[in-house]
Amino acid sequence: GAVVSQHPSRVICKSGTSVKIECRSLDFQATTMFWYRQFPKQSLMLMATSNEGSKATYEQGVEKDKFLINHASLTLSTLTVTSAHPEDSSFYICSAGDARYNEQFFGPGTRLTVL
Amino acid sequence: AQKITQTQPGMFVQEKEAVTLDCTYDTSDQSYGLFWYKQPSSGEMIFLIYQGSYDEQNATEGRYSLNFQKARKSANLVISASQLGDSAMYFCAMREAPSHQAGTALIFGKGTTLSVSS
Repeated sequence: GAVVSQHPSRVICKSGTSVKIECRSLDFQATTMFWYRQFPKQSLMLMATSNEGSKATYEQGVEKDKFLINHASLTLSTLTVTSAHPEDSSFYICSAGDARYNEQFFGPGTRLTVL
Repeated sequence: AQKITQTQPGMFVQEKEAVTLDCTYDTSDQSYGLFWYKQPSSGEMIFLIYQGSYDEQNATEGRYSLNFQKARKSANLVISASQLGDSAMYFCAMREAPSHQAGTALIFGKGTTLSVSS
């Protein structure tokens, strides 16, 4: 199958700082990538759809100015959590589809802790 | 209304036994895909099995099979001969209108935590 990497795997930051998370498709090109958020023992909630070369599409209730998404190339999407607060602490996971396969491929996730 | 419903928050099974994890879905699309993913405590999402809405045969992948009942809109996962390593959270997911598969997000159920004991 296809491989999606995500970096960093874990980050701890102070309240008010910004954190950037990278999602890369390693062996395929991804016109579209997806960002999910997951709280402990809960489901994955789609935050936004990242489109290469255009603006991201955010799900209802997700603050665009808070969660900045940039998809500047066919293999890289970034999620920046701006002015992070403790309530932003969560597990963030990206995914992408490869037209050769039915399934979505997920990155290993980023665990964000805001102090 | 929820698109994907998993009614079992937790399931317990002994090693070598079979277990069925329930999933029902709601869609008005004729073309859709159904997925099961496993998420161990490490957080990675591991793809298990896929069923297309037009597939007449139930999907199987090793010890995993998907019991697809289209009229009832159910897509239960059956794990045969459970192993200790099967202990994890299991998510049922759907992709509607997969005409452009890579560009459509998955909708996830709330998940079922499976615990396998020796």
